[in-house]
Formats: sequence, structure tokens, C-alpha cells
Amino acid sequence: DADVTQTPRNRITKTGKRIMLECSQTKGHDRMYWYRQDPGLGLRLIYYSFDVKDINKGEISDGYSVSRQAQAKFSLSLESAIPNQTALYFCATEASPNEQFFGPGTRLTVL
Amino acid sequence: KQEVTQIPAALSVPEGENLVLNCSFTDSAIYNLQWFRQDPGKGLTSLLLIQSSQREQTSGRLNASLDKSSGRSTLYIAASQPGDSATYLCAVDTGNQFYFGTGTSLTVIP
Repeated sequence: DADVTQTPRNRITKTGKRIMLECSQTKGHDRMYWYRQDPGLGLRLIYYSFDVKDINKGEISDGYSVSRQAQAKFSLSLESAIPNQTALYFCATEASPNEQFFGPGTRLTVL
Repeated sequence: KQEVTQIPAALSVPEGENLVLNCSFTDSAIYNLQWFRQDPGKGLTSLLLIQSSQREQTSGRLNASLDKSSGRSTLYIAASQPGDSATYLCAVDTGNQFYFGTGTSLTVIP
């Protein structure tokens, strides 16, 4: 079984809809991250969490929110999706401070 | 703000050639630097992690070096194979965040 899983793997939604992307990990790491990847822009940090009670904004947090439900779960929400949020979204974990381990990604399309 | 640059953006080499990928960063205050591989539409796979106190790390045909003072890292791939074709990304860890380069797309021609 994969150490970091993301659901759904693919999602197509319409402008204005609320959508949640979920991430689960079995690595026992405290630190978790959400990134988006766009062609030519690399990976950009949306939010990160160093433990269950800790939430921090990243470079591009506007239009997104997160919830750290447990050490193993970190969810990303788009409150009202817009087309420029179409991207590949990655969740990652880190044993602090050390390597990051990535999930397989969620491809989100907002029409 | 830390900025990470990878040059070249794309590279095509014949099979068997040795090659070097470059990564530069603007702020030398880093905890570590990590190299990843990404296949099209897939997640990132960690290749090598270099702690700030280290100069290099090796794994099989891969060797990564780090020069903090000059803000540079290189990934050396020996005897390249078609299966090495992928995008390679570097990321620097400032302790709070990772900053990624935009990657080098490598094609190894059989």
C-alpha cells in the first residue's frame, strides 16, 4: 500500500462548486503539505501543517482552506472553485526536518 | 524569498552518455536540498537528500553535490538509460518550507 494517498485522483467540477481533496498517510509523519503544480511554474506551496493543531499559509493560500483532522489526514478545500484553480495538486509528508514524500497527485479541472 | 532555478529546462542526450543537471538557489540558509524525479502525470519520487552539512550524496548511478556558499547543486547521472527519461526537480528546505525549481525535462534517446 502507498504511504501517501490522495483522493480523488481526478476530478472535473464547475465554477462556483465547493470541492475537497483528501490526503492520508501511513508514515507517521507530523508535517504535511499541500502544493499545486502548473506547467512552467513548478510546485507552489498552498498550506502546511507541522502537527494537528498547527496550520500555516503558504505562498498561494487565497481561495483555499485546509483541515488537519488527525496526524494522518490533511484535507484541502476549494470554497468556490474557479477555472484558474485547474492544476495538479500534491500532498506531501515530511519527517522533520528531512525528506519529503509525495502522494500520486489529484488532477483537478474547473470548467 | 528563496528562489530556485534549474538550467537547462530541457535536455536530450543519447543513451550511455553521462550528464549533469544544475540547480541554483538565492539564499544559502538551507537545512537540506532534495532531488526528485517526476514521470508525466505522476507524483514526485525522492532520489537524493543532501543535508546542509554534507557535500554530496550517491545512490547507484546518481551523484548529487551541494555547495551552499555558492548556492548551487548538481545532479550527475552516469551512463544514462532511456528509463531515466523524466523531469528532475530540486527543492531546498529552509526549515519551514520547501522551494522547488521548475525542473529539467530529460530525454534519453536509445
